[in-house]
Amino acid sequence: QSALTQPRSVSGSPGQSVTISCTGTSSDVSGYNYVSWYLQHPGKAPKLMISEVSKRPSGVPDRFSGSKSGNTASLTISGLQAEDEADYYCCSYAGSYTWVFGGGTKLTVL
Amino acid sequence: QVQLVESGGGVVQPGRSLRLSCAASGFTFSSYGMHWVRQAPGKGLEWVALISYDGSYKYYADSVKGRFTISRDNSKNTLYLQMNSLRAEDTAVYYCAKDQWLLDSWGQGTLVTVSS
Repeated sequence: QSALTQPRSVSGSPGQSVTISCTGTSSDVSGYNYVSWYLQHPGKAPKLMISEVSKRPSGVPDRFSGSKSGNTASLTISGLQAEDEADYYCCSYAGSYTWVFGGGTKLTVL
Repeated sequence: QVQLVESGGGVVQPGRSLRLSCAASGFTFSSYGMHWVRQAPGKGLEWVALISYDGSYKYYADSVKGRFTISRDNSKNTLYLQMNSLRAEDTAVYYCAKDQWLLDSWGQGTLVTVSS
């Protein structure tokens, strides 16, 4: 149950696009289509932004998109806004009814 | 509107026990698997445990296996986490999350501090 690998931080200017990567193994990310992404503002609960690799729950802006290639999943945020500044976590099903999270990425909007 | 409210956190000495609760409303609780996820201070999220919709299946992270027990009472719409033999490294905010596959709604969390 090793954590998925995310960059510690990314940044971008308002209006730009950023991509956050999430690297796992064949036992998790590439083995299943249950990769999700969560946004967490300081002191708040995580919020689901993307489920099942690329599905956007109701209410999530279409500026947020997800994809997967091999062992790496990605979250892309286009048209960056100030309120997007937060920590982002990926999560993958890891088989045998266990789940694994990434270490988290701090997004700074410059 | 889905609402999950955790309670039961606090300060506890190493080796002691604590039981957390998660009161659910706004959805058919008995139809969903439920998770516990924790977050140590300043750290990332860590999956802790999953229970099936009817309580018949339970799964745990290696870090808590044998010490923590997840359970539920569908008549009370409540999820539980019994934590025994607590260690300093169990200090964290504990969140409950709805849906076995999506973890699509989360509570605000309850803080557990293990310290002498």
